[in-house]
Amino acid sequence: AQRVTQPEKLLSVFKGAPVELKCNYSYSGSPELFWYVQYSRQRLQLLLRHISRESIKGFTADLNKGETSFHLKKPFAQEEDSAMYYCAPGRNSGNTPLVFGKGTRLSVIA
Amino acid sequence: DTGVSQDPRHKITKRGQNVTFRCDPISEHNRLYWYRQTLGQGPEFLTYFQNEAQLEKSRLLSDRFSAERPKGSFSTLEIQRTEQGDSAMYLCASSPTENTGELFFGEGSRLTVL
Repeated sequence: AQRVTQPEKLLSVFKGAPVELKCNYSYSGSPELFWYVQYSRQRLQLLLRHISRESIKGFTADLNKGETSFHLKKPFAQEEDSAMYYCAPGRNSGNTPLVFGKGTRLSVIA
Repeated sequence: DTGVSQDPRHKITKRGQNVTFRCDPISEHNRLYWYRQTLGQGPEFLTYFQNEAQLEKSRLLSDRFSAERPKGSFSTLEIQRTEQGDSAMYLCASSPTENTGELFFGEGSRLTVL
């Protein structure tokens, strides 16, 4: 069964502090991992995908297959990072739709 | 093309009534997905289409839910005999056939069943 766990419903950090949003998954085979973000009054949108190994808006995420984790990190939080973040494993072959976690609300305090 | 559009944005209905939501995907996207999101939860997959073919519908919540994409362009999601538990945000998303994992979401249709 496909399962995604985001243990924190709410994460509050001060501006400039490091951020880590946790994600653990249970997925048959080798999934692709994605982070989606929803800013206030905006649509859900892709933030980054592990296969690209990219940094978006200062965020990075490392896939740890041994721990089945895909934590999202940023060294210095900004107020504009406040949003809902969803971890989503899927399969890039395209026939398995993304499964979303329950999400973590990040609140960056000035 | 301004992205995925959904209509209506808000729908209030009485229990037992039927409701239909429409989704217009990004024009060149072959895949169209429906998700449901309730308060405090992430999007929950319901069904999806490749052009007009419905490739997965076993996750539709009950036989009261049905979806169509008759010409491979827009899609409709119908809920018959609505129940209060159907109250949720219904999200539509589209993606190119290559499916890089990037789904382009609409703003959603919020359903309230009284």
